[in-house]
Amino acid sequence: SAVISQKPSRDICQRGTSLTIQCQVDSQVTMMFWYRQQPGQSLTLIATANQGSEATYESGFVIDKFPISRPNLTFSTLTVSNMSPEDSSIYLCSVENNEQFFGPGTRLTVL
Amino acid sequence: AQKITQTQPGMFVQEKEAVTLDCTYDTSDQSYGLFWYKQPSSGEMIFLIYQGSYDEQNATEGRYSLNFQKARKSANLVISASQLGDSAMYFCAMREMDSSYKLIFGSGTRLLVRP
Repeated sequence: SAVISQKPSRDICQRGTSLTIQCQVDSQVTMMFWYRQQPGQSLTLIATANQGSEATYESGFVIDKFPISRPNLTFSTLTVSNMSPEDSSIYLCSVENNEQFFGPGTRLTVL
Repeated sequence: AQKITQTQPGMFVQEKEAVTLDCTYDTSDQSYGLFWYKQPSSGEMIFLIYQGSYDEQNATEGRYSLNFQKARKSANLVISASQLGDSAMYFCAMREMDSSYKLIFGSGTRLLVRP
């Protein structure tokens, strides 16, 4: 398994602002992912964070809204830009290490 | 396209009894993996069990077992000897063994264990 931490664990933000979420893994991993879980819903993949190249976004998600960085094999960030109340969700990073393991999540509320 | 279906929005089980959470999937790929995760109210996603499509035996991890019926495309989770701490949301997910490794999730089942 892998030990994954996320910062912040939760935040309350004003609309129009941006928040950057950090994901740190205790070992080098090739594949890291960012998921969103809207209230009462299941998880939806936002993008795959690729080390050394641009992230691969899923349909419905764009780089301008969710810019992602992956500077090395143990770290990634997701920014939620120009936030609106609809962005209120839990954001989770995960890593592929034979199975797929998740970080503890960031609970975001946008007012 | 991949699809995961969990038909039970909510389930009750008596403490110490066994419970089965249903999951069916749809894929045209021959090689894929099936996962179950537990999500308590804290929001974290806890990996429970994994079954590969070529695994001949059903996966087991402690009190969790996966009833894998490939022909019926089902991957039900069985929890034996339920405990109060098992009360949570449970998600089934599938991964196709291409280069993407992304997971597709079902809608989840909320399990409540009664004392």
